[in-house]
Amino acid sequence: EPEVTQTPSHQVTQMGQEVILRCVPISNHLYFYWYRQILGQKVEFLVSFYNNEISEKSEIFDDQFSVERPDGSNFTLKIRSTKLEDSAMYFCASSEGPPTNTGELFFGEGSRLTVL
Amino acid sequence: GENVEQHPSTLSVQEGDSAVIKCTYSDSASNYFPWYKQELGKRPQLIIDIRSNVGEKKDQRIAVTLNKTAKHFSLHITETQPEDSAVYFCASGTSGTYKYIFGTGTRLKVLA
Repeated sequence: EPEVTQTPSHQVTQMGQEVILRCVPISNHLYFYWYRQILGQKVEFLVSFYNNEISEKSEIFDDQFSVERPDGSNFTLKIRSTKLEDSAMYFCASSEGPPTNTGELFFGEGSRLTVL
Repeated sequence: GENVEQHPSTLSVQEGDSAVIKCTYSDSASNYFPWYKQELGKRPQLIIDIRSNVGEKKDQRIAVTLNKTAKHFSLHITETQPEDSAVYFCASGTSGTYKYIFGTGTRLKVLA
């Protein structure tokens, strides 16, 4: 069964450093997402991406965050200058269609980011 | 703003008993309600979903009910088994948007 894959599984970084989290969505999916989950808390929406542009973003997704689909397979989340409160599990997800229509969201295994 | 409340936060049941998890959503335009199961250290996985034009949906031991008037929806697991132990998240989605709003999660423990 096709899966969303994410790298790295765990990254430790110093506050103020840039971090790039990488995702390979399922190949025939057209919609891509980043969610995050602070330890023990709910899963929070960050951003959705379709047709090479952001389709929706949350208040969390400020100027420190950016997303990119640099080639036909990868989808990346960049945090420019990490803060302590960015420590979380970051989940990439993809769907074939819009998430409330025909598109079930398939999540990756997550990238745990620890900011020291 | 949009919000989904979920109760209880933890739930322990004896194997074979039923478990019920309840969610309430705030956005009356929400029309899609998925439930995700997240085992420890694993990715969230969709287990069942319901759309606003349906009041109940069942898949083997799992059922979801929706009350649009009250803006409530619930997950029912019957004949629970130890492998049902996980964190369950409800979520809401609205046509024309590209996000889910997740509840805070319920940690279900099925005691053998």
